[in-house]
Amino acid sequence: EPEVTQTPSHQVTQMGQEVILRCVPISNHLYFYWYRQILGQKVEFLVSFYNNEISEKSEIFDDQFSVERPDGSNFTLKIRSTKLEDSAMYFCASRAGQATEAFFGQGTRLTVV
Amino acid sequence: AQKVTQAQTEISVVEKEDVTLDCVYETRDTTYYLFWYKQPPSGELVFLIRRNSFDEQNEISGRYSWNFQKSTSSFNFTITASQVVDSAVYFCALSEGSYSGAGSYQLTFGKGTKLSVIP
Repeated sequence: EPEVTQTPSHQVTQMGQEVILRCVPISNHLYFYWYRQILGQKVEFLVSFYNNEISEKSEIFDDQFSVERPDGSNFTLKIRSTKLEDSAMYFCASRAGQATEAFFGQGTRLTVV
Repeated sequence: AQKVTQAQTEISVVEKEDVTLDCVYETRDTTYYLFWYKQPPSGELVFLIRRNSFDEQNEISGRYSWNFQKSTSSFNFTITASQVVDSAVYFCALSEGSYSGAGSYQLTFGKGTKLSVIP
């Protein structure tokens, strides 16, 4: 069964460092997303990506964040200069269309120290 | 703006009891989609069900059932004869069909209900 895969599963980084979180969405899907979940809290939308551009982003997704789909398969989230409050689980998701469910990857736990 | 409310933060039941998880949503859209996801202790988000706004038929899948009522903007989830493996956080989510940004259709999640099933 096709699935969304994320790497790494856990990343520890020092405050101020850049991190790149990687995702491989399901191959025939058209809509791609990043969400984050601070420990014990709800899942929050960061950004959606469609037709090779950002289609919507939340207030959380400030200038420190960027996304790319460089080669038609990978979908990356970059945080330029990490802060302690960026520590969270980051989920990548993809959907085939608006009337379909979103499939989530297993998540990357980012710890900023 | 879309909003999902799960008023129950935590529920504990004894194994084999039935339990209902509540979900109330707000949307200005006439076309929208509702979802339930399960997050077990291992952390991944597991899709359980999708419902579109035009289909109010209730659904049953094994021990799981869902009650969608547009009149009360609710999409409740019932687990019958709960088992220890049902222990998880359950999230209700909403995706708008028209008012979402073009090419977005992002999901808005509720805060989740943590279900503990005690043996």
